[in-house]
Amino acid sequence: AQTVTQSQPEMSVQEAETVTLSCTYDTSESDYYLFWYKQPPSRQMILVIRQEAYKQQNATENRFSVNFQKAAKSFSLKISDSQLGDAAMYFCASENQAGTALIFGKGTTLSVSS
Amino acid sequence: EADIYQTPRYLVIGTGKKITLECSQTMGHDKMYWYQQDPGMELHLIHYSYGVNSTEKGDLSSESTVSRIRTEHFPLTLESARPSHTSQYLCASSEGRVVDGYTFGSGTRLTVV
Repeated sequence: AQTVTQSQPEMSVQEAETVTLSCTYDTSESDYYLFWYKQPPSRQMILVIRQEAYKQQNATENRFSVNFQKAAKSFSLKISDSQLGDAAMYFCASENQAGTALIFGKGTTLSVSS
Repeated sequence: EADIYQTPRYLVIGTGKKITLECSQTMGHDKMYWYQQDPGMELHLIHYSYGVNSTEKGDLSSESTVSRIRTEHFPLTLESARPSHTSQYLCASSEGRVVDGYTFGSGTRLTVV
């Protein structure tokens, strides 16, 4: 079965510093997609970054980048130059086995201090 | 502006009441989803739809029901609310493949007392 595991319930970072959020997953597929979503307090969840498994290059979106280790089934999110607006809950996600929907990890709450 | 809307944002209701959580999107997406999210927990898929008159149950068993009579509208109904239904309910839609990503609504936080 597909599973997504986030082992860090909470993380904190100082403004302008870098933080890495961890995610591991399990899948029997050879080609798949992985996602990081951000859920700010009382606001809509938005897509942060997406990685296609067959692409060797790690995805990057401005200050957000991933470290995708396919063999280890690891998909961590790195946030550089952290800003107060980055404070949110972050969810790692992948496609479910049936290909019908996304499955999500338990999330990591990130706090950013000035 | 194209978006996905959920109403109400917050709802406190007594046990045994019938409730409908509304979800509408203006993007013309065929695929729509309902997730249940308990505090500090992952999102669990409870229903999805691939188009009009198409609905399926998700990975998490739920006493709720859904309908899809119009492309833009995907309401969720609880015939008799119970305290165990207290949770946040998130609606999402996607244009094409699941891997194209979702657009989420702001959620409905339901409390059954």
